[in-house]
Amino acid sequence: QVQLVESGGGVVQPGRSLRLSCAASGFTFSNYFMHWVRQAPGKGLEWVAVISNDGSQKYYADSVKGRFTISRDNSKSTLYLQVNSLRAEDTAVYYCARDMPILCYDYWGQGTLITVSS
Amino acid sequence: DIQMTQSPSTLSASVGDRVTITCRASQGINSWLAWYQQKAGKAPKLLIYKTSSLESAVPSRFSGSGSGTEFTLTISSLQPDDFATYYCQQYNSYPWTFGQGTKVEIK
Repeated sequence: QVQLVESGGGVVQPGRSLRLSCAASGFTFSNYFMHWVRQAPGKGLEWVAVISNDGSQKYYADSVKGRFTISRDNSKSTLYLQVNSLRAEDTAVYYCARDMPILCYDYWGQGTLITVSS
Repeated sequence: DIQMTQSPSTLSASVGDRVTITCRASQGINSWLAWYQQKAGKAPKLLIYKTSSLESAVPSRFSGSGSGTEFTLTISSLQPDDFATYYCQQYNSYPWTFGQGTKVEIK
């Protein structure tokens, strides 16, 4: 069965960095675009970034452009999000999601929490 | 960027009620609209894609409709398991954007 498992979140000071991972299993990872979506505590969903199946195309939300980098390793079936220059407003649960053509997000991970605090 | 405006933000209803949630896009999205259900502490779950297509295993009491810039999610007879927050999302163009959510509460 399809599984997406995020890791790498934690408590971090403003200005510091983290790398989130999303380990995929149960499907051919290299066939799918993958996304990161975040949700601040008690708030709605915010799209963060997308990467094409071969890694050649990447798009970012304006709120993270220049600070976050999405990448993937198809040999490891793993998606990454490098988050730099963290701000208090980046505090959120970060979800990875599979982009199924036509369907949009058919599978989500359980999320990993980043808390940015001094 | 395409803005998605969802209404109402909160809805109080009883079991058995018919419930409608509206989502308006700031420009045309070619029917590339999805609806998700989210319960506290859980990841969102896909309910409807391409405006009106029901995701596999989603109960038939959920339906979606709309065109152009106006879209609706309808729950024909609200069940206890349906009390949750619902989000619309456009996936016509990047950045993909979500509505602000509608919390369906017990009346």
